[in-house]
Amino acid sequence: DAGITQSPRHKVTETGTPVTLRCHQTENHRYMYWYRQDPGHGLRLIHYSYGVKDTDKGEVSDGYSVSRSKTEDFLLTLESATSSQTSVYFCAVRALGEGEQFFGPGTRLTVL
Amino acid sequence: QQPVQSPQAVILREGEDAVINCSSSKALYSVHWYRQKHGEAPVFLMILLKGGEQKGHEKISASFNEKKQQSSLYLTASQLSYSGTYFCGTAGSGNTGKLIFGQGTTLQVKP
Repeated sequence: DAGITQSPRHKVTETGTPVTLRCHQTENHRYMYWYRQDPGHGLRLIHYSYGVKDTDKGEVSDGYSVSRSKTEDFLLTLESATSSQTSVYFCAVRALGEGEQFFGPGTRLTVL
Repeated sequence: QQPVQSPQAVILREGEDAVINCSSSKALYSVHWYRQKHGEAPVFLMILLKGGEQKGHEKISASFNEKKQQSSLYLTASQLSYSGTYFCGTAGSGNTGKLIFGQGTTLQVKP
């Protein structure tokens, strides 16, 4: 499972509140990614990181920010949650081999 | 820019074969295939690189046609455990590893 954990696994929050999701990995992978998954859309990249303090936007980054202060942790923050951000969020890491990505167990977020 | 997968859904009997296609409008460097079961995370199946060889393990294999910007996943003699949603993820040149995923193909294998 590439040593990836996500927390929390489930969260219900209200519109307008800030939310932070955490991705933790134990195998020192350089690249980490945050995706959201919604019915009919597959997986869409939100942000990614290519090293400590090095991050960049993905295809659906509006309303999200990220931080990576340590190799093992990649945080995703919703500054002011909206109902459109209700989704399942997956973190992934990129292996050194041919670039395959391994996913964490996911966080189910509901914004009321 | 999202790759298009076909078919959207397929139902098989155990032992039957299936092909899932992934087509992109952009030049591709690599194609990744994943399987996801309901309520679980996507699981990596295989990656095909530009200029690389067709890959496969056991009864699941894949091909990559760089000129047509297409990849196909072949499932032979399907088993019940093959049920799930299959996603292709495509990457262009560059070393970021950024993937754009197709919308998925739902495969159901019945006894």
